[in-house]
Amino acid sequence: ELKVEQNPLFLSMQEGKNYTIYCNYSTTSDRLYWYRQDPGKSLESLFVLLSNGAVKQEGRLMASLDTKARLSTLHITAAVHDLSATYFCAVLSNFGNEKLTFGTGTRLTIIP
Amino acid sequence: ETGVTQTPRHLVMGMTNKKSLKCEQHLGHNAMYWYKQSAKKPLELMFVYNFKEQTENNSVPSRFSPECPNSSHLFLHLHTLQPEDSALYLCASSQDPPGSGEKLFFGSGTQLSVL
Repeated sequence: ELKVEQNPLFLSMQEGKNYTIYCNYSTTSDRLYWYRQDPGKSLESLFVLLSNGAVKQEGRLMASLDTKARLSTLHITAAVHDLSATYFCAVLSNFGNEKLTFGTGTRLTIIP
Repeated sequence: ETGVTQTPRHLVMGMTNKKSLKCEQHLGHNAMYWYKQSAKKPLELMFVYNFKEQTENNSVPSRFSPECPNSSHLFLHLHTLQPEDSALYLCASSQDPPGSGEKLFFGSGTQLSVL
């Protein structure tokens, strides 16, 4: 069974700082997704990573995928308050079904 | 607004009630999903429909019964639920199933409380 682990689960950081959220998964996959969820709202797609070495950037967020290490990172550069949210990674196994398995999420709080 | 609308936003029901959750997508997508989001647990996939056909049932108890009358509408019928079923139920859609690299568009969810 595919397991997806994120760390940290909670993160408080000051504005202007850099930090990285990690997503590890347990079986072969080359399809990984990052989502953002604001309190009381739906999940919003951020990135879709479809191959080893894929890197995508939007604004202060950059996501990368290392399929050999079974690891994805979401890097935050010069954090601003608007980035406070819960971030989820989700992984699709290479083996057959269409089940997208989510991590537990990282609740990010940016402190002014 | 993601183009995926869920109703109701909040629902409180007793264990003997029967209720239904509704999801509608205005994106012309072919695949629709039900997810359960419980506190301190990862999102759990419940059901997947592709072109109105159920392609995934993730060992969900029979007290949850999905219905997909067409590609734009998805229902989750609830009966004799348990308090541990209290959670946020999220509907999502995508053009094609995620195996093709499609991202999911989520609704705002129905916050369900079972008393």
